[in-house]
Amino acid sequence: AQTVTQSQPEMSVQEAETVTLSCTYDTSESDYYLFWYKQPPSRQMILVIRQEAYKQQNATENRFSVNFQKAAKSFSLKISDSQLGDAAMYFCAYRSLWGTSGSRLTFGEGTQLTVNP
Amino acid sequence: AAGVIQSPRHLIKEKRETATLKCYPIPRHDTVYWYQQGPGQDPQFLISFYEKMQSDKGSIPDRFSAQQFSDYHSELNMSSLELGDSALYFCASSPSGLDRVPYEQYFGPGTRLTVT
Repeated sequence: AQTVTQSQPEMSVQEAETVTLSCTYDTSESDYYLFWYKQPPSRQMILVIRQEAYKQQNATENRFSVNFQKAAKSFSLKISDSQLGDAAMYFCAYRSLWGTSGSRLTFGEGTQLTVNP
Repeated sequence: AAGVIQSPRHLIKEKRETATLKCYPIPRHDTVYWYQQGPGQDPQFLISFYEKMQSDKGSIPDRFSAQQFSDYHSELNMSSLELGDSALYFCASSPSGLDRVPYEQYFGPGTRLTVT
């Protein structure tokens, strides 16, 4: 079974600064997807960014980018130019590539990000 | 754009009662997932359906059952409720396709269940 670990329960960053959230995972599979989800106080789960393991290029979505290190099984999220609206719980998640269409997401424990004005 | 709809948004039940949560996926999405998020915890996968058939099963208690109907909406039925069932229940949907295509799971707003 796959496991996802986020070793930083809490992080804080100054507005306009850059912060990196860490995520490691354990799997025996060679192909899979990795995601970062954001959960603001409204508790809505919002997809931030995704990475396909078979792609070497790191994914980027505006101010959000990832550092995907497949050999190290590491998947960190970098938020540049942090904004007050980025404050939320961030979850790293794993999904198998192959299998049924109903493949589950396995989440890490989450990192609570605080953005200071 | 249409999103995943969950009803009710809030539900209060007493121990040993029964609850039914409903999920209406995004149009043309035929796969539905259910997750349970306890207080201060990450979401835990319960069960999923593809084309009205159960496709994956996680840590769903035997007291819970679920199904997907012909219009693709899904219902999660929870019986003999316990205090520990108090949680946020998410439904997510995704379109089908080749497994090599990374279709994301789109989450609904969740149903907050409180068992007293």
